[in-house]
Amino acid sequence: GIQVEQSPPDLILQEGANSTLRCNFSDSVNNLQWFHQNPWGQLINLFYIPSGTKQNGRLSATTVATERYSLLYISSSQTTDSGVYFCAVLLAGGYNKLIFGAGTRLAVHP
Amino acid sequence: GAGVSQSPRYKVAKRGQDVALRCDPISGHVSLFWYQQALGQGPEFLTYFQNEAQLDKSGLPSDRFFAERPEGSVSTLKIQRTQQEDSAVYLCASSLGLGLETQYFGPGTRLLVL
Repeated sequence: GIQVEQSPPDLILQEGANSTLRCNFSDSVNNLQWFHQNPWGQLINLFYIPSGTKQNGRLSATTVATERYSLLYISSSQTTDSGVYFCAVLLAGGYNKLIFGAGTRLAVHP
Repeated sequence: GAGVSQSPRYKVAKRGQDVALRCDPISGHVSLFWYQQALGQGPEFLTYFQNEAQLDKSGLPSDRFFAERPEGSVSTLKIQRTQQEDSAVYLCASSLGLGLETQYFGPGTRLLVL
């Protein structure tokens, strides 16, 4: 089956620092979403980005579908950015289930 | 409410008990998904509904797990004769169309089986 690999697995930042999270996937996909899971467990949609680049405030994401990777950029990190960031893909070919990576655990310290 | 809601938020069950978890999707959303998230891992797909039709149940781990969405809106995930390995967070998600769009997740039900 498709492999979704996220890196790094863990990341510790000082408030104000920038970071890049990576998601590699092993097959063609119809959909790619980035989520932030907050400390209370809620999965928050960040981006729906099967291809191209999108920006939302301090966050931006780029997916290069032909090379099977996506990047999530966090600039000027804040303590509220702490949590787990998941990449999830929807396989091409009529499947509807999201396949999640293992996540990147981010801790931002003041 | 504008989002996906789930109840109960927390459930403690004794091994062997039956449990029922409820999901209220965003109004008008055609597609509904259930996922299971074990501690420290990413969510894993359980089952998918398009309106009232269960089109994919390939992720259900055993025949003790059963899901329904009889009127194409609210869904219930039932686990019979719970086991300790069923302890996890159960997440429900919905999407507007036929499943290729953004999936929106509820807050989850945290199940602990003792």
